[in-house]
Amino acid sequence: GAVVSQHPSWVICKSGTSVKIECRSLDFQATTMFWYRQFPKQSLMLMATSNEGSKATYEQGVEKDKFLINHASLTLSTLTVTSAHPEDSSFYICSASIGGVQETQYFGPGTRLLVL
Amino acid sequence: AQKVTQAQTEISVVEKEDVTLDCVYETRDTTYYLFWYKQPPSGELVFLIRRNSFDEQNEISGRYSWNFQKSTSSFNFTITASQVVDSAVYFCALSADSGTYKYIFGTGTRLKVLA
Repeated sequence: GAVVSQHPSWVICKSGTSVKIECRSLDFQATTMFWYRQFPKQSLMLMATSNEGSKATYEQGVEKDKFLINHASLTLSTLTVTSAHPEDSSFYICSASIGGVQETQYFGPGTRLLVL
Repeated sequence: AQKVTQAQTEISVVEKEDVTLDCVYETRDTTYYLFWYKQPPSGELVFLIRRNSFDEQNEISGRYSWNFQKSTSSFNFTITASQVVDSAVYFCALSADSGTYKYIFGTGTRLKVLA
């Protein structure tokens, strides 16, 4: 149980294009979903928290116009990197919790983004 | 402020050795949760355990065991008879009410188990 998927697992794009990453909870309804970014050999950095049907809460320093998050249903959240640039290249990981922020987070397999 | 410290950046052991990964946390909350996750080379974080601050019982799950000591603010993880498949980065995390339960991750410990 508690399986989270992400799609795509790998994406390479040209600078200036937008990329959408999907995060789905497959066998449970996720009240809250989280988006993280991880640089090589570093820990995870929380980008934003999203609750179904409401606007995402972004962490300080994360550009909300650059990283658009939509949590349209209890099983799907999307992260769109708009006008991607090489510095946006990273490993993006989503997680989902059952029942709210205080519950255990289950993580997706991550999406590796390379912007050329 | 909340903080998680994993002082061991990288550990190498030979297969079948026991290994302990250290995790020290800081929080002023009385109610909080501690977690361990495993991140293999594939990248996905695998949930291992969650502990709440009121439950100091040690936990054992197969070759894995966890020692939670509030007196020293530590939540250490031991792998008994390590295997090559245990090679991964292990993250300790803390969540607490004053931080709106956002995860505070440690910097991770890279474990290499050599055959």
